[in-house]
Amino acid sequence: DTEVTQTPKHLVMGMTNKKSLKCEQHMGHRAMYWYKQKAKKPPELMFVYSYEKLSINESVPSRFSPECPNSSLLNLHLHALQPEDSALYLCASSQEGTGVNTEAFFGQGTRLTVV
Amino acid sequence: AQSVTQLDSQVPVFEEAPVELRCNYSSSVSVYLFWYVQYPNQGLQLLLKYLSGSTLVESINGFEAEFNKSQTSFHLRKPSVHISDTAEYFCAVSKTGSSYKLIFGSGTRLLVRP
Repeated sequence: DTEVTQTPKHLVMGMTNKKSLKCEQHMGHRAMYWYKQKAKKPPELMFVYSYEKLSINESVPSRFSPECPNSSLLNLHLHALQPEDSALYLCASSQEGTGVNTEAFFGQGTRLTVV
Repeated sequence: AQSVTQLDSQVPVFEEAPVELRCNYSSSVSVYLFWYVQYPNQGLQLLLKYLSGSTLVESINGFEAEFNKSQTSFHLRKPSVHISDTAEYFCAVSKTGSSYKLIFGSGTRLLVRP
């Protein structure tokens, strides 16, 4: 199984709503990531979890709250978002450590629209 | 810090013609290099990677890329493209031993015409 599964595929939410994006992998990877991708732009790193601990936060606004409940799951909790937060949110995972097989595997993404 | 430059935002090409998508990087440390492909409304798929060893790397669907350290380049090539190759292609770099911070180029849209 070399898949990273993200749910939901599409999400429309109001600016006062609270919602969560979910990501799951069963490759035994201990590093998991959230990226944000605006239309016609490359992905931008938001958060990195290593061994279920937050290791990198790229100065993301607090209305985005990541959570890693176990080694296979990664959530992104959303609250009080703005229309400019509309984007494709990508989850990725990779092996931890300094070995050569550390490439990132990406999920299909959640297309988020904030209205 | 690392950076990646993809000079061409869009490359139109006719079916069965050869194509080259250019990627140049800048880094003061050793890096891993990657090409990812993104089809419309989908996530990113790893196309090929250079970690070490042979500087010419190949994918299963006919793409190849060559790591050129002196020119700091990792251009992607395919001798004969198909309509189904139409997609966005991202070159990316990370420091050796860590994929924590994948730095992506701005992407090149390959548009294959019949």
